[in-house]
This record gives sequence, structure tokens and C-alpha cells, in this order.
Amino acid sequence: DGGITQSPKYLFRKEGQNVTLSCEQNLNHDAMYWYRQDPGQGLRLIYYSQIVNDFQKGDIAEGYSVSREKKESFPLTVTSAQKNPTAFYLCASSPGTRFAQVDEQYFGPGTRLTVT
Amino acid sequence: AQSVAQPEDQVNVAEGNPLTVKCTYSVSGNPYLFWYVQYPNRGLQFLLKYITGDNLVKGSYGFEAEFNKSQTSFHLKKPSALVSDSALYFCAVRGRGSTLGRLYFGRGTQLTVWP
Repeated sequence: DGGITQSPKYLFRKEGQNVTLSCEQNLNHDAMYWYRQDPGQGLRLIYYSQIVNDFQKGDIAEGYSVSREKKESFPLTVTSAQKNPTAFYLCASSPGTRFAQVDEQYFGPGTRLTVT
Repeated sequence: AQSVAQPEDQVNVAEGNPLTVKCTYSVSGNPYLFWYVQYPNRGLQFLLKYITGDNLVKGSYGFEAEFNKSQTSFHLKKPSALVSDSALYFCAVRGRGSTLGRLYFGRGTQLTVWP
């Protein structure tokens, strides 16, 4: 998990409340990603960002929002519009595609969000 | 469209026996392929990747994977399984023509190694 921190590890919220998940990396990586993991469904991409102040929707962006104001930070907000927000959320980073090599993604330890 | 299939939700093997976790992919052109491992309530850890060259790739913890272009497969293997190898394994693919760097993950295979 080294180099990427996600906080908190467990998060509990009432339905109808927005909640922001933190992701910070000290790897000097350009690209950052948010995934959602549900049992038996693997990882689904929510949003990703290749550079500061720019981001793209992934496969399941509805009900989520992100910002990328700093290179090291990529917070994810789960809004009240997300119909089924309870899940395990994973943040990842990679050096970026402006380099010739193909780099793996480095993952944080995850945040388990429970909404009741 | 790019995708990965892991046809087995669960693989069970006795300690000391060889293990194989299967992965097939679909991508336009040549692929970049990755294997990750996840222990309970943890993030994913990188095991190995195939970019080009030798079809047999060696990675962390004694794992290796064989790229087979004709069968569009990238199966993960280990000659002798350990109980500590029990975890959730993910295969991922990225298209060679993709400039966006995103990976497409399979649904995962739960590996259980019996003592």
C-alpha cells in the first residue's frame, strides 16, 4: 500500500448525506484513479485523472464527484444521488502515460463505506 | 472494447501442489497485461506484468504468468502453493493503443490453499 493513504478506513453515514473520501499520494504520480469494489463484481472505475485540474468519468460515475486541485490529492465525494453507496472504495495512482514505459497502478488500503 | 474474463470464481488447491488461476482478455491490438493480489480488507498489490518480449513473465512471491497470444490468455501460475497464497487475484488489461492508462479488471478469483 506504500505511498498512498486513504482515510478513514471505515466510514459510516446516514442515507441522504454526502460524504468525501480522502486519497493522498507522495509518489509524485501524475495519474490517479478511484474504483469501487463489490463482492463478486471486481473493480469498477468511477473517475480518473491524468493531470491536475483534469479528470474523466469512468464506467460508474453517476452519483459521484471528484476534484484534482493538487497533484498529490484526489478526493471522492459520494453524493446522496448515488443509489447504493455501500461498498469498498479503492484509490490508485500511476506515474502517468506521458512516459514511454507502461506502469502498474499502486493502490491505497481502501475505505469501507457503509450507508444506512 | 477491452475486457478481461476470469472464468473461475474460486480455485482450491492443496499446499505444495501447483496452482493456476486463469485469465483471458479481449483488446484491440496487442495488450498490456497485469496480475494483482488482494488480501482481506486491503488494497491491491502488484504481482507481475506483461509488456512485450518473453511470453513467460516472472513476478513477486514465486508467481509467474504465461502470455498466449493465440488463445488470448494470461494465466497465473505457481509451481508449489503456500497457505499464505490464499487471497483474491485480479487480472487486468490495457490496450496498447490506449493513451489514457486505465486498466480493465476481471471479477477476481478467490484462491484457497489447503494445508
